Amino acid sequence: SQQGEEDPQALSIQEGENATMNCSYKTSINNLQWYRQNSGRGLVHLILIRSNEREKHSGRLRVTLDTSKKSSSLLITASRAADTASYFCATPYTGGFKTIFGAGTRLFVKA
Amino acid sequence: DTEVTQTPKHLVMGMTNKKSLKCEQHMGHRAMYWYKQKAKKPPELMFVYSYEKLSINESVPSRFSPECPNSSLLNLHLHALQPEDSALYLCASSQGPFGLAGVSSYHEQFFGPGTRLTVL
Repeated sequence: SQQGEEDPQALSIQEGENATMNCSYKTSINNLQWYRQNSGRGLVHLILIRSNEREKHSGRLRVTLDTSKKSSSLLITASRAADTASYFCATPYTGGFKTIFGAGTRLFVKA
Repeated sequence: DTEVTQTPKHLVMGMTNKKSLKCEQHMGHRAMYWYKQKAKKPPELMFVYSYEKLSINESVPSRFSPECPNSSLLNLHLHALQPEDSALYLCASSQGPFGLAGVSSYHEQFFGPGTRLTVL
């Protein structure tokens, strides 16, 4: 089974609202990453949070990590139509070579 | 140059054809990856090359044959594919998983735009 599981599977919000996506994982990690994928395109790295960090910010993105609960959340503030995409959490595995992606959250931001 | 390029963008092939997907990066990355992604699913790792050597093969059928001719290029040779192999094939590269101290770490992966493959 996948290392990372995400919820919700799909999220539809109005422009200007905040969007929160959650990710859970099963084994110990040394970091967790979030990626965005526009429809049918390649993935773009958004942010990496290390296991000794609890929160990290990058522009309108805020990521939290709770290693005791094996979970992470991605918050996008003041969403825009251009934020419409699928968002995946990803964790390294097997000495760092292998990346396991969560099932992903499909975000739709209505203008 | 922080771009990973993939060719072709679209490929339609019959089950008896032989074709190749190509991937190129000029960021000096020493780890390169092939992923397969079906619609509305996350990418699934197929192969990892590290320093031009195959490091991981995720039990991929032999009709997929990877090749890393040099540190900038990664190919995926396709032969006798099945319709269920139709998917988006993504190439990625990274600095490599190991830090300067040799401790296992992880660097962000840079993805190409993918090749949309349809097998008839």
